[in-house]
Amino acid sequence: NAGVTQTPKFRVLKTGQSMTLLCAQDMNHEYMYWYRQDPGMGLRLIHYSVGEGTTAKGEVPDGYNVSRLKKQNFLLGLESAAPSQTSVYFCASSYSDGGTGELFFGEGSRLTVL
Amino acid sequence: GIQVEQSPPDLILQEGANSTLRCNFSDSVNNLQWFHQNPWGQLINLFYIPSGTKQNGRLSATTVATERYSLLYISSSQTTDSGVYFCAVAPMNYGGATNKLIFGTGTLLAVQP
Repeated sequence: NAGVTQTPKFRVLKTGQSMTLLCAQDMNHEYMYWYRQDPGMGLRLIHYSVGEGTTAKGEVPDGYNVSRLKKQNFLLGLESAAPSQTSVYFCASSYSDGGTGELFFGEGSRLTVL
Repeated sequence: GIQVEQSPPDLILQEGANSTLRCNFSDSVNNLQWFHQNPWGQLINLFYIPSGTKQNGRLSATTVATERYSLLYISSSQTTDSGVYFCAVAPMNYGGATNKLIFGTGTLLAVQP
């Protein structure tokens, strides 16, 4: 099993450009998440999804959009990138929420916005 | 909101030594997870442990929910144990929902040969 796969692994953008990060999981998990990791800030939740066709805001949603058209995929979009969005982005999935909600992470996507 | 504090912030060990990492949290939780982020940045789930004790090889974890702390034990450390260890908790008043997980800032562990 591949688990959780993120593409691309690295990307450099100029301010104002747009891009999409793709997350795919093959564990048939209902729940998927996008986090960002910044030095000294730990991991912070951007958006999440509790099932196909659903999305919800996390702790730091501004400047990002997401879509979950298929159960196995969760897309994170930046419409107009800003230097403050330079970060490492992690996708995660879990079978359920709460009682057995172990998180499984992808390998991360390092984004630099110039 | 709930506060999560991990200690120590940094730890250097010689290979073969044992260590204990601590996670304190400020409110009742029913979702607590430990993760290891290796030097290449990969995040690995170590334990899902809102209460009780679990063991997996050289690693074990204990959560005392009533006293609001969790401990991660690493025995006979190896260089491959190096990296950052994160504790994450979700408060009970949100049903321990995974989307409410709050991550600590981690313990940076370096195991020297």
